[in-house]
Amino acid sequence: DAGITQSPRHKVTETGTPVTLRCHQTENHRYMYWYRQDPGHGLRLIHYSYGVKDTDKGEVSDGYSVSRSKTEDFLLTLESATSSQTSVYFCAIRGDIGGYEQYFGPGTRLTVT
Amino acid sequence: AQRVTQPEKLLSVFKGAPVELKCNYSYSGSPELFWYVQYSRQRLQLLLRHISRESIKGFTADLNKGETSFHLKKPFAQEEDSAMYYCALRHVQGGSEKLVFGKGTKLTVNP
Repeated sequence: DAGITQSPRHKVTETGTPVTLRCHQTENHRYMYWYRQDPGHGLRLIHYSYGVKDTDKGEVSDGYSVSRSKTEDFLLTLESATSSQTSVYFCAIRGDIGGYEQYFGPGTRLTVT
Repeated sequence: AQRVTQPEKLLSVFKGAPVELKCNYSYSGSPELFWYVQYSRQRLQLLLRHISRESIKGFTADLNKGETSFHLKKPFAQEEDSAMYYCALRHVQGGSEKLVFGKGTKLTVNP
């Protein structure tokens, strides 16, 4: 597996609570992505980054914000968690050279009660 | 608009039978397509990319631009092939690029 870790791996939180998920990579890759995975929807892109402090929205960005102050870390924040944000969150990375495939982290299972 | 369609949510076959997971795409540019596999409660793993025309774990996929398809095939399914399979399309717009995923097909290989 590519050097990607996510923390925490599991989290239960209450509605209205802020939550931050962390993605950490040791590959020095430029591109990083956050997805959510839900039954019947597959993977949907939340936000992505193409460099330090360079981020952009994906298709389901409402209610989420991101930050990337270092190449190795990409943070996803739910400012005020809602039950609809209960999901499995995956981070992915892609390098600048070679193929354009993305490599995924192990995922974070978030439950908002 | 770019779109990936996997028409089958569920697919069930018997061990040793051929299997085909369908993927159709819509894209105005030159497509680059991938297949990812996710075993139970694990991370997604790259299975195939069309540009390399490789065969991984006995799976192959051919890009058919005329039919806008990238179906995944294996002549003899194994029980360990049971997993979720996602087809993905690389989309480039301006200075950014992303993968657009289909909704996935859950393959079950029965003994």
